[in-house]
Amino acid sequence: NAGVTQTPKFQVLKTGQSMTLQCAQDMNHNSMYWYRQDPGMGLRLIYYSASEGTTDKGEVPNGYNVSRLNKREFSLRLESAAPSQTSVYFCASSENFSGSDTQYFGPGTRLTVL
Amino acid sequence: QQQVKQSPQSLIVQKGGIPIINCAYENTAFDYFPWYQQFPGKGPALLIAIRPDVSEKKEGRFTISFNKSAKQFSLHIMDSQPGDSATYFCAASMDYGGSQGNLIFGKGTKLSVKP
Repeated sequence: NAGVTQTPKFQVLKTGQSMTLQCAQDMNHNSMYWYRQDPGMGLRLIYYSASEGTTDKGEVPNGYNVSRLNKREFSLRLESAAPSQTSVYFCASSENFSGSDTQYFGPGTRLTVL
Repeated sequence: QQQVKQSPQSLIVQKGGIPIINCAYENTAFDYFPWYQQFPGKGPALLIAIRPDVSEKKEGRFTISFNKSAKQFSLHIMDSQPGDSATYFCAASMDYGGSQGNLIFGKGTKLSVKP
């Protein structure tokens, strides 16, 4: 099993450009999450999908949209990238939407917005 | 509002030392406290977790100590090794409630274990 996969691994955008970060999991998990990681800020939740067909905002949703395409895939879209969105983005999944369910993280996408 | 405060931000110890990372939380509804370990260039991975009904949990060289009355918990790494060099995140969550699946992370501690 590959676990959680993310594409691309690296991306450089110019301000105002758009892009979609892709995430897929092969563990048959119901819940999926998008985080951003910035130096000294820890991991902050952008959006989550508790189950297929639902999405909800996390702590820092502004400037992002998400799509739960099916049970396996959860994408994150930046419609008009800004330098403040320069970050490392992690996708994660868990079996169910429970506080004690382990979240499994992907390898991350390093995004730079110029 | 930061709900989980983690310290120190960075930590350097010699091989064999016992680094200690501390976390404090505010919301008494939290009932699950995991620690995640992240190596450079990788995603975080669950290391060990504890519930507030126990005061200590050990898994190998890693121990969580939990003080419910003080709303604090800490990670101890016994006989630390250079391979333990990583960033460690504490977190907190609730089993029940509207956002029960969400983890609230501390800001992380970068640990470096010198040979």
